[in-house]
Amino acid sequence: DAGVIQSPRHEVTEMGQEVTLRCKPISGHNSLFWYRQTMMRGLELLIYFNNNVPIDDSGMPEDRFSAKMPNASFSTLKIQPSEPRDSAVYFCASSSGYSPLHFGNGTRLTVT
Amino acid sequence: GIQVEQSPPDLILQEGANSTLRCNFSDSVNNLQWFHQNPWGQLINLFYIPSGTKQNGRLSATTVATERYSLLYISSSQTTDSGVYFCAVGAPGGATNKLIFGTGTLLAAQP
Repeated sequence: DAGVIQSPRHEVTEMGQEVTLRCKPISGHNSLFWYRQTMMRGLELLIYFNNNVPIDDSGMPEDRFSAKMPNASFSTLKIQPSEPRDSAVYFCASSSGYSPLHFGNGTRLTVT
Repeated sequence: GIQVEQSPPDLILQEGANSTLRCNFSDSVNNLQWFHQNPWGQLINLFYIPSGTKQNGRLSATTVATERYSLLYISSSQTTDSGVYFCAVGAPGGATNKLIFGTGTLLAAQP
């Protein structure tokens, strides 16, 4: 399997613009997670889906953030409007049942 | 919420040396995993180890859930072991991989 695939790898945008990050989980995995990594806060969970349904979005920082999972093989994390403090590395991860969590390579977002 | 503390925060090793990384957690957990973040930023799962001992090549891990700690052993370190090692735990009743991450141990393995 190709692993968890994220795109783009890098995104540079101006404050106020909409940003969409994409993720394809490992085939057969039924849980998908979005994490954010910053120097100040480390790795923190934003939201997770189980069988395409959002289960816990308590980590989503603000209403500017939204996530969808329209089918088992695709998820998006959208920031609208973006702000400089959203600059971070965003990771998507997937797993199945009681199995290890597998991460994608991340998207490095820079908002200027 | 559960607090996850890792020690040491930084570690410098000569190639060939052994090391032990520790993870303490403040409450009962139903899940514990170790990850390696390499210098390119990739997060690699090393162990899924809520209890007991596992070994994979030069790496091994032990979790003593009743005493709320886990240890990661690296033997005969190589420069490719460099990076940050994270311990992550899941709280009972939560989703299996709804993980809380520690702040990591930064390891530099020098030739």
